[in-house]
Amino acid sequence: DGGITQSPKYLFRKEGQNVTLSCEQNLNHDAMYWYRQDPGQGLRLIYYSQIVNDFQKGDIAEGYSVSREKKESFPLTVTSAQKNPTAFYLCATGQRGLSNQPQHFGDGTRLSIL
Amino acid sequence: AQSVTQPDIHITVSEGASLELRCNYSYGATPYLFWYVQSPGQGLQLLLKYFSGDTLVQGIKGFEAEFKRSQSSFNLRKPSVHWSDAAEYFCAYILTGGGNKLTFGTGTQLKVEL
Repeated sequence: DGGITQSPKYLFRKEGQNVTLSCEQNLNHDAMYWYRQDPGQGLRLIYYSQIVNDFQKGDIAEGYSVSREKKESFPLTVTSAQKNPTAFYLCATGQRGLSNQPQHFGDGTRLSIL
Repeated sequence: AQSVTQPDIHITVSEGASLELRCNYSYGATPYLFWYVQSPGQGLQLLLKYFSGDTLVQGIKGFEAEFKRSQSSFNLRKPSVHWSDAAEYFCAYILTGGGNKLTFGTGTQLKVEL
């Protein structure tokens, strides 16, 4: 989706290292989401934010952290506490408070362990 | 617990043949239902959505889906498959209220034989 930019496309993490995945959007959407995708498991929600300076844990938040200092940006940090970080990470946006508003997705970041 | 099930992990069809991908949901009320497609290494693209009303929903790329309340199903169909339709397909739903969070099925990988 041209309105959501995820970077980098590929990322490698060393043991004990924290890494940060970037997600920027110009869709003026209030809500932003991070999903993790593993083969055969579909997408699982890590964190989401409905408004600036506020965010909530999703289904698999352990080992991850986020911030939402600006409406356009929702970076995800994969900490050393996440023991199995190898996955494809997808950022998405949506309209806050509208349950029938589907989410738009970025092109993802693939994280691997060195 | 609410969930969505895609019983077919892989499906292979010949180009020009018809296609039906299955999706069953487990939810007390009628959820908002979606089908997404993902090409390798890419984000997700929305194919179609069902909120209410007409149970036969038309989407992009010639896809349609039919909501059947009695069977708790929302199967995706296409009358004639093209080689470019080879991708992974995800059924998803949104729980009303509480963050507009999509819950995904585990996906169906479609292979198209020429």
